[in-house]
Amino acid sequence: DVKVTQSSRYLVKRTGEKVFLECVQDMDHENMFWYRQDPGLGLRLIYFSYDVKMKEKGDIPEGYSVSREKKERFSLILESASTNQTSMYLCASSPPGYSNQPQHFGDGTRLSIL
Amino acid sequence: DAKTTQPTSMDCAEGRAANLPCNHSTISGNEYVYWYRQIHSQGPQYIIHGLKNNETNEMASLIITEDRKSSTLILPHATLRDTAVYYCIVRVGTNAGKSTFGDGTTLTVKP
Repeated sequence: DVKVTQSSRYLVKRTGEKVFLECVQDMDHENMFWYRQDPGLGLRLIYFSYDVKMKEKGDIPEGYSVSREKKERFSLILESASTNQTSMYLCASSPPGYSNQPQHFGDGTRLSIL
Repeated sequence: DAKTTQPTSMDCAEGRAANLPCNHSTISGNEYVYWYRQIHSQGPQYIIHGLKNNETNEMASLIITEDRKSSTLILPHATLRDTAVYYCIVRVGTNAGKSTFGDGTTLTVKP
């Protein structure tokens, strides 16, 4: 089974802190994604990566950056955390898009910014 | 990616089949239909996907109409653990595999 592991289930940080969310997948997938999920807004794509050191902006990249130095690891960085970034963050991975294979998700990190 | 429409909520009796509909009337010929579910406080779980033929796996069956404008996810013998939000997604593979999740259907399985 595909395993996508997010480093923390719950995280509390303060406004202005630099926050790192880590995600690791064990299926050698090329694609990795970061979403945030908020009530009434569904899942919104922040960034995705289709290869090591490659990244593409999603629908809401402002205030975030990402890093993919190794194929299995995709990090989401909140450069200066703000209260409006309090949310559930979900990481996903998949084979290349042309394969039409599904994404697989981690269990999420519930991040609170105080 | 095509837009999907799902009912906001549905109930199902434990042990009975749960049939969850999804409308995707603007689907393109190369777009697949995917179903996921999300149990409270967990990440979305992949269930099944298909292009135009009906599909079945150990979790569920997917019935896609001949014109591909709608589909139905069938959980043959629903249990209380199937209570979750179910998402129907339509996307084309060349879109880098990104998925657009709407509000989904909240399925409540009752004893």
